[in-house]
Amino acid sequence: QVQLVQSGAEVKKPGASVRISCKTSGYTLTTYYVHWVRQAPGQGLEWMGIIKFSGGGTRYAQKFQGRVTMTRDTSANTVFLEMTSLRSEDTAVYYCATRYYDDGCADYWGPGTLVSVSS
Amino acid sequence: QSALTQPASVSGSPGQSITISCTGTSSDIGNYKYVSWYQQYPGKAPKLLIYEVTYRPSGVSNRFSGSKSGNTASLTISGLQAEDEADYYCSSFTRTNIVVFGGGTTLTVL
Repeated sequence: QVQLVQSGAEVKKPGASVRISCKTSGYTLTTYYVHWVRQAPGQGLEWMGIIKFSGGGTRYAQKFQGRVTMTRDTSANTVFLEMTSLRSEDTAVYYCATRYYDDGCADYWGPGTLVSVSS
Repeated sequence: QSALTQPASVSGSPGQSITISCTGTSSDIGNYKYVSWYQQYPGKAPKLLIYEVTYRPSGVSNRFSGSKSGNTASLTISGLQAEDEADYYCSSFTRTNIVVFGGGTTLTVL
């Protein structure tokens, strides 16, 4: 069964950085695309960017360019999301989600990682 | 890139059909077939319901259907059931090769 396993909740202070991981279970990411989507408390979904697992090519939403980096470790079948200069507005659940095709959607989703930013 | 526009809420009675609209521009919905819909229950990850405007992934009920006209996409749920009460989000590929979501619609089954 296909599953995405994400790292645990994080509590950070404003200005700090956070790195979240997303590992697959049940299949390899080799030919997949991985999206990162976040959801602030009580708010809607916000697309952050996408990484192509083979090759590591990335595209980011303009809002996050310069502050977000998506990388992958092919040997560990894991992708990472790093966000710097955290502020309170970054408090959200961060989801990784995958799709075989680069067609703007995702059919397998991780359970989400809560990142709380507070002084 | 602005978010797509969805109604904040819709409601319907069991057995009825409802339609949720999702309005974009010619830079996204209007010129791309890559429009998707998701269902999300509180505290859970979204579930893909519709991709490429009209296609349902395996396992998704045929009570869910998608369509598009111009810059507006629509999700129709027929034979409404209590379990359909959830939040629904549309998304679209854009001309800059990024993805944009709608603001979400809360469906209440009366």
